[in-house]
Amino acid sequence: EADIYQIPRYLVIGTGKKITLECSQTMGHDKMYWYQQDPGMELHLIHYSYGVNSTEKGDLSSESTVSRIRTEHFPLTLESARPSHTSQYLCASSDGRGAGELFFGEGSRLTVL
Amino acid sequence: KNQVEQSPQSLIILEGKNCTLQCNYTVSPFSNLRWYKQDTGRGPVSLTIMTFSENTKSNGRYTATLDADTKQSSLHITASQLSDSASYICVGGNSGYSTLTFGKGTMLLVSP
Repeated sequence: EADIYQIPRYLVIGTGKKITLECSQTMGHDKMYWYQQDPGMELHLIHYSYGVNSTEKGDLSSESTVSRIRTEHFPLTLESARPSHTSQYLCASSDGRGAGELFFGEGSRLTVL
Repeated sequence: KNQVEQSPQSLIILEGKNCTLQCNYTVSPFSNLRWYKQDTGRGPVSLTIMTFSENTKSNGRYTATLDADTKQSSLHITASQLSDSASYICVGGNSGYSTLTFGKGTMLLVSP
């Protein structure tokens, strides 16, 4: 079992609300990632971090922001949620050595009404 | 543009039967090929990782093959179980983790 946790698993909120999706890992991994996945579609990278105080945007443009103040935590924030943000958000981490494993959390399913 | 195409899109098999899922990739420069299992509503779980120099890798009843010349990979599931019902995702990787290319997955349903 991977030691990477996402909170909340499910969230239903109204348009305009600010939300933060939490992601924590206890494996001491330097590299962490946020992916977005819509039903039946492929995962798209929206943010990644190679260590504390390092964040980069991924391939898919996203209005969300991330921070990496501590190695274990990589929260994702939406300042003003819209229905177009409705999706599954998956957090992942890796030790980054060679072709190492990517460990995923269980995901946060966000629905914006 | 890097791409990963999977076939079939979905598949129904009887419990106990074998099946093979296909993956064609265009990833450059190519470094590794991964297969993940994703249960509905859950995060993907790694099944196998193969570097470009490996031809096959097994994980229990799952066996992945890789042909770097034809840019094809397959995932063979032996003696399927009901718990194998999931989406199976093929992922092509190059030198950086920020550049993994995911396929859309093959949805497998194992029927009793």
